[in-house]
Amino acid sequence: GENVEQHPSTLSVQEGDSAVIKCTYSDSASNYFPWYKQELGKRPQLIIDIRSNVGEKKDQRIAVTLNKTAKHFSLHITETQPEDSAVYFCAASPDSWGKLQFGAGTQVVVTP
Amino acid sequence: ETGVTQTPRHLVMGMTNKKSLKCEQHLGHNAMYWYKQSAKKPLELMFVYNFKEQTENNSVPSRFSPECPNSSHLFLHLHTLQPEDSALYLCASSQDRTDLYGYTFGSGTRLTVV
Repeated sequence: GENVEQHPSTLSVQEGDSAVIKCTYSDSASNYFPWYKQELGKRPQLIIDIRSNVGEKKDQRIAVTLNKTAKHFSLHITETQPEDSAVYFCAASPDSWGKLQFGAGTQVVVTP
Repeated sequence: ETGVTQTPRHLVMGMTNKKSLKCEQHLGHNAMYWYKQSAKKPLELMFVYNFKEQTENNSVPSRFSPECPNSSHLFLHLHTLQPEDSALYLCASSQDRTDLYGYTFGSGTRLTVV
């Protein structure tokens, strides 16, 4: 089955700086990679996703890049703000599997 | 409010109790999922239902018993739980088990076993 590793487990950044979270996956058949943000006491919410036929996707201050050859994908947050503080989860799914395998999460803290 | 609603939000139960968690989705999805979220651990998939049929049981102990009467409702029946079962239990839904766009989580039930 799929195995997803996520690094780092915690990330502290100054407001305005960029944050990068990296994930690797094991199943070369995986072709859907969503990212979720979970604020304290709240549900995980989808913030961006990417399919394997695309190398990069951007939505305002958030971007995701995918390297299929190396089997890793990354979340980039630019111009971080205190409201970006949360736990971020990556996930991967092969079409034929039909379910998401999650990384362990990254606690992001943005300090003013 | 999210299209996936979970009740109760918080639950404290003794090890000999029987309780049920409820999940309801108003998104027209056909697949529903139960996850367990423990501190410092990845989200663990427990069960998958697709068009009311269970398609995945991820080696979950029998003290957890799911039920899916229709595509909009999912239950998790609990009995004789252990303290290590204390966690946040999340329900999710998607269009179906092969279409994961719009994969939406509920707010979860925070379960404490005493």
